[in-house]
Amino acid sequence: SAVISQKPSRDICQRGTSLTIQCQVDSQVTMMFWYRQQPGQSLTLIATANQGSEATYESGFVIDKFPISRPNLTFSTLTVSNMSPEDSSIYLCSAGDGQPQHFGDGTRLSIL
Amino acid sequence: DAKTTQPNSMESNEEEPVHLPCNHSTISGTDYIHWYRQLPSQGPEYVIHGLTSNVNNRMASLAIAEDRKSSTLILHRATLRDAAVYYCILRLGSARQLTFGSGTQLTVLP
Repeated sequence: SAVISQKPSRDICQRGTSLTIQCQVDSQVTMMFWYRQQPGQSLTLIATANQGSEATYESGFVIDKFPISRPNLTFSTLTVSNMSPEDSSIYLCSAGDGQPQHFGDGTRLSIL
Repeated sequence: DAKTTQPNSMESNEEEPVHLPCNHSTISGTDYIHWYRQLPSQGPEYVIHGLTSNVNNRMASLAIAEDRKSSTLILHRATLRDAAVYYCILRLGSARQLTFGSGTQLTVLP
């Protein structure tokens, strides 16, 4: 099964700044995803990170706020731009071409 | 997407079996039933999945009703490490992403 590493594991940021989260998979995968988990809530899909093309965003999420890169089949980044306190959440990367999907342990982000 | 309904929380005693129910009355014929769990401060972890027949693996068993409108995740002997939020998810056979509901918070009592 795939092992997924996320960096950083946590961060505290000032409002108005941006943070880039990295996701590394230990094997090549076609499908990578980014989720957000707000405090006490379930996971919500932000976007599908497509290799070689623009990410596919879910309703309510836009590229200007959450730009995503996918330079190869083992790596992706999610940037949270112009952060506000409402962006305080856990951001999780997942990957998997079949069943099951594998998840990283997330990046816990707090905005002051 | 077809939706699932789970109890918000359940309690179990350690070393006893746990039956976690899930209702999915609008399930379609191509929806697989997946269970994931999320331990504190970790990402979700795959538990088991099935389509029509009951399934067993080293972690759990999945019992699927004959009409597929409900299913039950069975942990045969709960341990303290099984305390987690358990998510029942319907996944279209060709779909890649997972759509999470609110899940069941399982508390295991020593």
